[in-house]
Amino acid sequence: QVQLQQWGAGLVKPSETLSLTCAVSGGSFIGYYLTWIRQPPGRGLEWIGEIGQSGNANYNPSLKSRVTMSVDKSKNQYSLNLTSVTAADTALYFCASVGAITLTPAFDIWGQGTLVAVSS
Amino acid sequence: QSALTQPASVSGSPGQSITISCTGASSDLGVYDYVSWYQQHPGKAPKLLIYDVTKRLSGVSNRFSGSKSGYTASLTISGLQAEDEADYYCSSYSTSTTLRVFGGGTKLTVL
Repeated sequence: QVQLQQWGAGLVKPSETLSLTCAVSGGSFIGYYLTWIRQPPGRGLEWIGEIGQSGNANYNPSLKSRVTMSVDKSKNQYSLNLTSVTAADTALYFCASVGAITLTPAFDIWGQGTLVAVSS
Repeated sequence: QSALTQPASVSGSPGQSITISCTGASSDLGVYDYVSWYQQHPGKAPKLLIYDVTKRLSGVSNRFSGSKSGYTASLTISGLQAEDEADYYCSSYSTSTTLRVFGGGTKLTVL
């Protein structure tokens, strides 16, 4: 079964770029999209955006100006870049597959999460 | 402010049943049957429990069930167990520019 393993810098300075990677193992089918979701400390889940295997992406309008998602098909890896970060971007970031198991728009397989703190 | 509305907290005793509601709008729950429910224990990634309103992911206990009426979806947990104590989130596909929306989450306490 598909598994997602994610990594990236855990501490980012204000105004710099947050970069995370999500690697797919155990298969190549990640469903319709690979999505990124974040969770600020003590708060709920926020959808950041999603990217398909062909590179087509959809972003949350509230973050769209700062977000870029990409896919490296040769490595089966997906990346998230978030520019000009502030303390408000401090959160636990997750990657998740959309429909890899369910074949429906549900987040069915999740990465383990990466805690990113924005601080100087 | 979350697009979907959930109660902040619910509680129940072991063996009892509880229901968590999730209220949306014409742009999400009112038009799509793509409601999913997630369980999250502290510091862990969320786990998918229910998708397409009523379908249980393979391996999920049949104590968890989902339903929907109009703009409100519900997650029912029967035969509460201590391990059910967690945060629960609903999610839906949406016609808005934010394609995927979440509820604010509900903290379940097993007394």
